[in-house]
Amino acid sequence: EAQVTQNPRYLITVTGKKLTVTCSQNMNHEYMSWYRQDPGLGLRQIYYSMNVEVTDKGDVPEGYKVSRKEKRNFPLILESPSPNQTSLYFCASNPRYQETQYFGPGTRLLVL
Amino acid sequence: AQRVTQPEKLLSVFKGAPVELKCNYSYSGSPELFWYVQYSRQRLQLLLRHISRESIKGFTADLNKGETSFHLKKPFAQEEDSAMYYCALSPYGSSNTGKLIFGQGTTLQVKP
Repeated sequence: EAQVTQNPRYLITVTGKKLTVTCSQNMNHEYMSWYRQDPGLGLRQIYYSMNVEVTDKGDVPEGYKVSRKEKRNFPLILESPSPNQTSLYFCASNPRYQETQYFGPGTRLLVL
Repeated sequence: AQRVTQPEKLLSVFKGAPVELKCNYSYSGSPELFWYVQYSRQRLQLLLRHISRESIKGFTADLNKGETSFHLKKPFAQEEDSAMYYCALSPYGSSNTGKLIFGQGTTLQVKP
């Protein structure tokens, strides 16, 4: 089944403890993105990637890192999480020349 | 600045009533605009895009460049339309980069 997967789906951690949220897609899409969803603020793009080793900042990149070493994977790294990064995170992918983004199921993160 | 504004956090209507979810954007170029929908416990998914000029599940949206709006309309709401709706803008039009700017979202509640 063509899809975007994220792991873990739920995560509780403490301030300062590095974590990685993985994202994988099996549709051979060139583009991948990370978003956070917060009440009243909607979805805000954190980082996006147009291809392997090509990434760019979205609207709220502070406190996050990404890497794109393989086409199918786009992990989101929080080197030193803080409580204001408590949120619902979505990964998405889309093929080149098509704007429709396909979303993962979301990862709910709580930073204590 | 590139921005998408959805002025209503919640829109509540009765079944069979017309629905209009408002979306205004700020962008100096020629954007590509989308409506995404998130049903309860489901992934965010594309509902429609302005470039397709299509009607999906009875919903239509017309891009009004003069008013910089892209309102979503349906003449007769159904209970299964209850969901969170997001308006989104791709700032580079057909030059796909993967960057997407979302509005704050509007929850549509259709009462029986």
